[in-house]
Amino acid sequence: NAGVMQNPRHLVRRRGQEARLRCSPMKGHSHVYWYRQLPEEGLKFMVYLQKENIIDESGMPKERFSAEFPKEGPSILRIQQVVRGDSAAYFCASSPSGGDTEAFFGQGTRLTVV
Amino acid sequence: KNEVEQSPQNLTAQEGEFITINCSYSVGISALHWLQQHPGGGIVSLFMLSSGKKKHGRLIATINIQEKHSSLHITASHPRDSAVYICAVRKMQGGSEKLVFGKGTKLTVNP
Repeated sequence: NAGVMQNPRHLVRRRGQEARLRCSPMKGHSHVYWYRQLPEEGLKFMVYLQKENIIDESGMPKERFSAEFPKEGPSILRIQQVVRGDSAAYFCASSPSGGDTEAFFGQGTRLTVV
Repeated sequence: KNEVEQSPQNLTAQEGEFITINCSYSVGISALHWLQQHPGGGIVSLFMLSSGKKKHGRLIATINIQEKHSSLHITASHPRDSAVYICAVRKMQGGSEKLVFGKGTKLTVNP
């Protein structure tokens, strides 16, 4: 049973380009969470999704950021028109259900905007 | 004030020493997680606790719900334990749930 798979592991984008980060949850997991870790800062919640539904996006910046978790395929975190301040590590976690179930983290995608 | 506070921020130990990392939180939680992150690496979940104590190998985690405090202990520390240890609380809010993280404790174990 493969763990949570994130790709790419490293992504370099020029300012103004789009960044797409993918997260394939563990088999049987239908809940996905995205977190951002800015340099020298702690992890911050961004968005919580179930299949085809956004449950809580209170941590997402209001503009340029969007997330989806379609019925088939991985969850996608999309950042449009990237700026230098978007450079960070983005982590995805999945769990089989909500509530007090353990979440398993991916290896992260390190986005660098140049 | 952060909802989750960890101490110390940095910790250096000699191999074999007993390590304690503390976490205090100020919100109602349903569970608390201890996570490990190696430099440039992913995040590994070490423990999820809602009460009492858990042990896995040389790692022990305790939580006191009344005092809103948890500790992570490492016995017989080893250089491979060098990593950032992160405390995170699961906060239930308005039908949703999210993890709120401490800033981490950077542990360096010297041989």
